[in-house]
Amino acid sequence: NAGVTQTPKFQVLKTGQSMTLQCAQDMNHNSMYWYRQDPGMGLRLIYYSASEGTTDKGEVPNGYNVSRLNKREFSLRLESAAPSQTSVYFCASSEDRVHEQFFGPGTRLTVL
Amino acid sequence: SQELEQSPQSLIVQEGKNLTINCTSSKTLYGLYWYKQKYGEGLIFLMMLQKGGEEKSHEKITAKLDEKKQQSSLHITASQPSHAGIYLCGADTWGKLQFGAGTQVVVTP
Repeated sequence: NAGVTQTPKFQVLKTGQSMTLQCAQDMNHNSMYWYRQDPGMGLRLIYYSASEGTTDKGEVPNGYNVSRLNKREFSLRLESAAPSQTSVYFCASSEDRVHEQFFGPGTRLTVL
Repeated sequence: SQELEQSPQSLIVQEGKNLTINCTSSKTLYGLYWYKQKYGEGLIFLMMLQKGGEEKSHEKITAKLDEKKQQSSLHITASQPSHAGIYLCGADTWGKLQFGAGTQVVVTP
């Protein structure tokens, strides 16, 4: 089992460009999450999907959109990247909302 | 919203020594998760605590949730280089995890 995979691992964008971060899990989990991690601030939840077909905003959703493509895949889209979105992005999944979460290796995004 | 404060922010410990990290919540904790992160990598689940007074151990790491369920501690006995990294606590808040800022642990020879 690969667990949770994320692509790409690194990305550099110019202000205003768009991109999609991909996430997939092979554990048959119902719930999936997108976080961003910034120095000194821990992880902050951007969006989550409690189950296939549903998505909800987390703590810092502005500037992002998500798609739960199927049970395995949950993508995060930046429509018009801004320097404030420079961060490390983590995808996670869990069996259900109250179970432990399994994390992917992260995507390091720099917006110039 | 629930706020989690971790202390210390960072610590340096000599190999073989013990260390303790604290996680204090502004509200009652209904589920408290401990994770470890190595630099540049994702988070690895360590333990979950739910009941006041609960204590769990895995290898040389012990985590406790106090009776009032507003503070948790993570204790490492006889630290090793493999214990170096960032430790984060996360509180179960209506099915979502609210994380503390993390504690960076450095283990010196």
